Amino acid sequence: NAGVTQTPKFRILKIGQSMTLQCTQDMNHNYMYWYRQDPGMGLKLIYYSVGAGITDKGEVPNGYNVSRSTTEDFPLRLELAAPSQTSVYFCASSSPRDTQYFGPGTRLTVL
Amino acid sequence: GQQLNQSPQSMFIQEGEDVSMNCTSSSIFNTWLWYKQEPGEGPVLLIALYKAGELTSNGRLTAQFGITRKDSFLNISASIPSDVGIYFCAGDSEVTSGSRLTFGEGTQLTVNP
Repeated sequence: NAGVTQTPKFRILKIGQSMTLQCTQDMNHNYMYWYRQDPGMGLKLIYYSVGAGITDKGEVPNGYNVSRSTTEDFPLRLELAAPSQTSVYFCASSSPRDTQYFGPGTRLTVL
Repeated sequence: GQQLNQSPQSMFIQEGEDVSMNCTSSSIFNTWLWYKQEPGEGPVLLIALYKAGELTSNGRLTAQFGITRKDSFLNISASIPSDVGIYFCAGDSEVTSGSRLTFGEGTQLTVNP
């Protein structure tokens, strides 16, 4: 099993550009999550999903969108990138009532 | 939203020393988790605690779920250089629509050989 994979590893965007951060898991987990981690801080939940077709907002959803068309994939979309979205983004997955497994992260810089 | 206060923010120790870090919250959590993050990687689970008062070990690591369900600590005994990293506590409020982790701000551990 590859676990949770994320692409790209790094990306630099200009203000106002859009992009999609990809996340895939091969553990057949129902639950998937997106977090952002700012320097020197813990992780904050952006969006999560409890199954295909179901998504919900986390603590910091503004400026982001998600979709969950399959169990395996949970892409995160930034429509109009802003400098405040410079961060490291982590995707995670879990089974119900089980611990979350994290991907390696995507480091995004918005200039 | 819920907040976790994790301390200390950073620690600089000599190899062989013991380490202790803790997290406190104003809210009750159903589960406490301790993760380690190394540079350029995602957090990796070290220990999970599911019951108030529970004391669990994983090798040189020991963690406890506080009786009040509002705190937890992690101890590392006889530290080694590969213990270097950022340690995060996380509380799981486990709502019906999925688990919701709240993270502490992390403890940066440096071990001098």
